[in-house]
Amino acid sequence: AQRVTQPEKLLSVFKGAPVELKCNYSYSGSPELFWYVQYSRQRLQLLLRHISRESIKGFTADLNKGETSFHLKKPFAQEEDSAMYYCAPAFTSGTYKYIFGTGTRLKVLA
Amino acid sequence: GAGVSQSPSNKVTEKGKDVELRCDPISGHTALYWYRQSLGQGLEFLIYFQGNSAPDKSGLPSDRFSAERTGGSVSTLTIQRTQQEDSAVYLCASSLAQYREQYFGPGTRLTVT
Repeated sequence: AQRVTQPEKLLSVFKGAPVELKCNYSYSGSPELFWYVQYSRQRLQLLLRHISRESIKGFTADLNKGETSFHLKKPFAQEEDSAMYYCAPAFTSGTYKYIFGTGTRLKVLA
Repeated sequence: GAGVSQSPSNKVTEKGKDVELRCDPISGHTALYWYRQSLGQGLEFLIYFQGNSAPDKSGLPSDRFSAERTGGSVSTLTIQRTQQEDSAVYLCASSLAQYREQYFGPGTRLTVT
């Protein structure tokens, strides 16, 4: 069955340090890949979508088909990046199409 | 324009009672999703509506859960005979089409006592 894994529940980094939030999925096809973010007391919202290949708030995400990973990266973390991040591949076939990872809480320390 | 809205924002109910949660999606969005967010559990997919197609109910945890979408717009999630393990934040999202960006509502926090 399709699956998405975010191995880190909590990731703490210092301001200015690089950050990488890991996401791995299991799926034989090519999913649509999204990262969503939830800031404190705000709604869950889209951060970026793989197909658009854009950088949002300094974040990028590269699809590695060989490793079936879609890690989220930022070279220099800012305190305002502290939030909950969810990897969300949308599988275009199979039983479990709309899966979100369990999320990684990013804390950027001053 | 207006985003996705949900009501009520908070609901406290006694075990065994039925509850109805409402979602108003963004106008024109054909896809509507319900998720459950439990502490430490991430987002759990419940049900998906797309236009006039039969809903994808593969995520509903039991037959106590049901949902409908009237007129392709407003959706109601009903939980019958609530249990304490149903306590969670229930999120609704809508999107222009399948596999597109989802826009989330603020959620309904359900507490079953």
